[in-house]
Amino acid sequence: GIQVEQSPPDLILQEGANSTLRCNFSDSVNNLQWFHQNPWGQLINLFYIPSGTKQNGRLSATTVATERYSLLYISSSQTTDSGVYFCAVEQQGGSEKLVFGKGTKLTVNP
Amino acid sequence: DTGVSQDPRHKITKRGQNVTFRCDPISEHNRLYWYRQTLGQGPEFLTYFQNEAQLEKSRLLSDRFSAERPKGSFSTLEIQRTEQGDSAMYLCASSSRAGLEETQYFGPGTRLLVL
Repeated sequence: GIQVEQSPPDLILQEGANSTLRCNFSDSVNNLQWFHQNPWGQLINLFYIPSGTKQNGRLSATTVATERYSLLYISSSQTTDSGVYFCAVEQQGGSEKLVFGKGTKLTVNP
Repeated sequence: DTGVSQDPRHKITKRGQNVTFRCDPISEHNRLYWYRQTLGQGPEFLTYFQNEAQLEKSRLLSDRFSAERPKGSFSTLEIQRTEQGDSAMYLCASSSRAGLEETQYFGPGTRLLVL
């Protein structure tokens, strides 16, 4: 099955800093989503982005499908951005299910 | 639209007991997914439904696990004869899939502890 690797596994920032999270995947995908899991466990969908670039406020994401990676950019980070960021993909031609990476744990200090 | 809801939010049980979890999806969504998440890991797919039909089950879903979605509305996940290894967060998600495009919306999860 498809493999999903996220980096870095942990990231500590000061409030106001920018960061880039990376997701590499091992095969072509139909679907790629970025999620934020808050400290209470709730998963919030950030982007549906199997290719191209999208922006939503301080967050933006880019997926280069031909090179099998996606990047999530967080600008001017806030303490409320803390949590775990997951990338999840659906393999093209495979089962219609999402395969998640292990996540990047982000801590934003005041 | 109140989003995806799950009940109960927490469950503590003794090994060998049966437990049942409920998920209420977003009302117009035709797809419903169950995932399991253990500490430090991403969610792992268990099973999914399109309307009332269960279309796929993971190999993680042993014969002690069963899921239903009667009438294509809410879903239940039952674990029989629970084991300590079943302790995890059980997450439900729903979506309205159109072709290949799909965004899954997750509920708050049910945290299970088997003693």
